[in-house]
Amino acid sequence: DAKTTQPTSMDCAEGRAANLPCNHSTISGNEYVYWYRQIHSQGPQYIIHGLKNNETNEMASLIITEDRKSSTLILPHATLRDTAVYYCIVRLPFSSNTGKLIFGQGTTLQVKP
Amino acid sequence: NAGVTQTPKFRVLKTGQSMTLLCAQDMNHEYMYWYRQDPGMGLRLIHYSVGEGTTAKGEVPDGYNVSRLKKQNFLLGLESAAPSQTSVYFCASSQLWGISYNEQFFGPGTRLTVL
Repeated sequence: DAKTTQPTSMDCAEGRAANLPCNHSTISGNEYVYWYRQIHSQGPQYIIHGLKNNETNEMASLIITEDRKSSTLILPHATLRDTAVYYCIVRLPFSSNTGKLIFGQGTTLQVKP
Repeated sequence: NAGVTQTPKFRVLKTGQSMTLLCAQDMNHEYMYWYRQDPGMGLRLIHYSVGEGTTAKGEVPDGYNVSRLKKQNFLLGLESAAPSQTSVYFCASSQLWGISYNEQFFGPGTRLTVL
C-alpha cells in the first residue's frame, strides 16, 4: 500500500472550512484513498473514501487531484466536535488485501472558538 | 445494535501474567481485526481474521495469539505480558461491499497497563 504524508497538526476556526491535505505520490492506479478520524482516544471512525472522482457525503468532501498524487479532505463548517486526529490511508481494493488499514500518525485538527 | 464491543475496558497486569481480550460484533461481519495504539502514534495491526476459524498475522503479531471460534467473536490473548505491551487495544470489524468499499467499525478500546 502507498505511503501517505500529512501535516502533523492544523488549526481551524469554528464555522470555517477545514482543509486537510494528504500527499500520496506513490499511489498506484487501483489504490483507494480513505479518511478516518479519531476523537479523543475513541475508536477511529470512517469518514469518506474515493478512487479518482471527488466525493461528498454528509460528513465531508474529498478532492483528489487529477494525477491522484494528493488529496484534500474538506469539513465544510468545522465545529468543536470535529477536533480529532485525521488519518489519510491509501490501500488496495478490499479484495486484494483483506481490508487491512495501515495507519500513519495523522493530522491533529484543533477547531478553535 | 451494539456494534463492536470490547471487554474489559481497563486492565492492569503484572509482568508474566496472561489475559484474554474479547471483541464481539453483532453486525454479522466476516472480517475482524485487532490493533494496538501507543501514545502519539497511529494504530498498528496485530492480527486479523477473514472468517470464522481463520486468523492471520498483521504488522506486530509477536507476543499475541488470537482465535475466531465464532463469527461474532475475536479473542486476543497475551500469554506472558510484558511492559512493552502496555497500550490501547482496538478491535474492528468489516464486511465486503462490492470490490472497494470497506468501512471498518471500531470498538471503544481496552486500556492495558503491564507493570
